[in-house]
Parts: sequence; structure tokens; C-alpha cells
Amino acid sequence: EVQLVQSGAEVKKPGESLKISCKGSGNNFTSYWIGWVRQMPGKGLEWMGVIRPGDSSTRYSPSFEGQVTISADKSIVTAYLQWSSLKASDTAMYYCARPWSSDFTDAFDIWGQGTMVTVSS
Amino acid sequence: DIQMTQSPSSLSASVGDRVTITCRASQSISSFLNWYQQKPGKPPKFLIYTASSLQSGVPSRFSGSGSGTDFTLTISNLQPEDCATYYCQQSYSSPPTFGQGTKLEIK
Repeated sequence: EVQLVQSGAEVKKPGESLKISCKGSGNNFTSYWIGWVRQMPGKGLEWMGVIRPGDSSTRYSPSFEGQVTISADKSIVTAYLQWSSLKASDTAMYYCARPWSSDFTDAFDIWGQGTMVTVSS
Repeated sequence: DIQMTQSPSSLSASVGDRVTITCRASQSISSFLNWYQQKPGKPPKFLIYTASSLQSGVPSRFSGSGSGTDFTLTISNLQPEDCATYYCQQSYSSPPTFGQGTKLEIK
């Protein structure tokens, strides 16, 4: 069974750094993309960007480029989402998900369970 | 970015009803339109792709239609477990964008 398993919830202070993870299992993920989606409390879904772990190719939404860094370690089939200086407005649930084809814009058919990030002083 | 607008933002219906949710794109996206269902505390579930194709395992009471800029998700014979928020998403161009969601409640 193909799965994406995310790291646990985080509570951070403004200005701190953070890296959350998403590990793929059950299939060869290196040729697929893995994406990140933000959901702020009580709000909708926002596509942040994707990475292809096989060659670390990345694509960002203009809304998130420069605000976060998406990276990957293909040896352990894991994607990461990283902040260098968190803000209170980064408080949200973050999902990783896999587009169901080789096209990175395609629909996400497999989702992680979500990582809740809370930024508060 | 392509803007996706859903209507209504929320609706309430009874078990057995037929409900329709509309999604409009700010420009033509051909049939590159997907639908998701999200229940509280859970990740979204992929329901429909290319406007009208049902993902494997999705009940046949769900259907989608449309092309260009106007799309609909229809749920026939509404069931209690259909209580959720539904999102459309365009996969025509980058960045893929979602509608704001439609919250469906069961009376």
C-alpha cells in the first residue's frame, strides 16, 4: 500500500526555524512528485509547491516562493518543508500529497495525515 | 493564477436529496478539474478527475460535469456520511488552485 507519513505536530515561537517531513513508502516515489498543501485554521486548501525526490526538481507557487523551502532526501524517500523564521501567520495544518501522474500539476491522489504547526509567543 | 470560485459556500440538505455544487474558473481550463471531499480532522479525499471521471472506490452517487469555465459536482441520494467540505481544483496550469470550499451539512 502506498503511503505518506508525516512528522508530528510542532509548537514554535515566532522567529524560530522548523523543518517538517513526509516519508513515502510502498512504492518507488523517486520518479514521482511530492507536494505540500497549506490549510490555515478554518480555511481552504492552498497548493504550496512540489519536489521530485529523484532529482530534487522543485516548483513553487508564487505565493510561497521565498517563504518556504522544499527539499528531499531520495535515499530515504522523504520530502521536507522548511521555514527559516516562522511567523504567527504560518500557523496551519500542512499536508504532503502525491500527484497521481508524472505531471506535477495533476490531482493529488495520496495524502499524508497532516502536520499541525502552531507558532505562538 | 487561475481563480476558482465555488457556490454556494455552504448548504444543508436531507438524506436522499440530490445536491449540486458549482465551480467556476477565471479562464478556460478545458476539463482539467478535480474534486475532493474533506471531513473534519482528515486530509482531503480525491473524488473526481478530469471533470467527470470517478476515482476508484468512490460511490456512483457522486458525479461531475462541465468543461471550459463551469463545472458541477452532483451528489444523488445524499447519505449521512457525505457531510463534509468539498473543494474543486484546477490542474490546467501552475500553480494548481483550489476553490474556497463548499460545506455540506445534513439536516
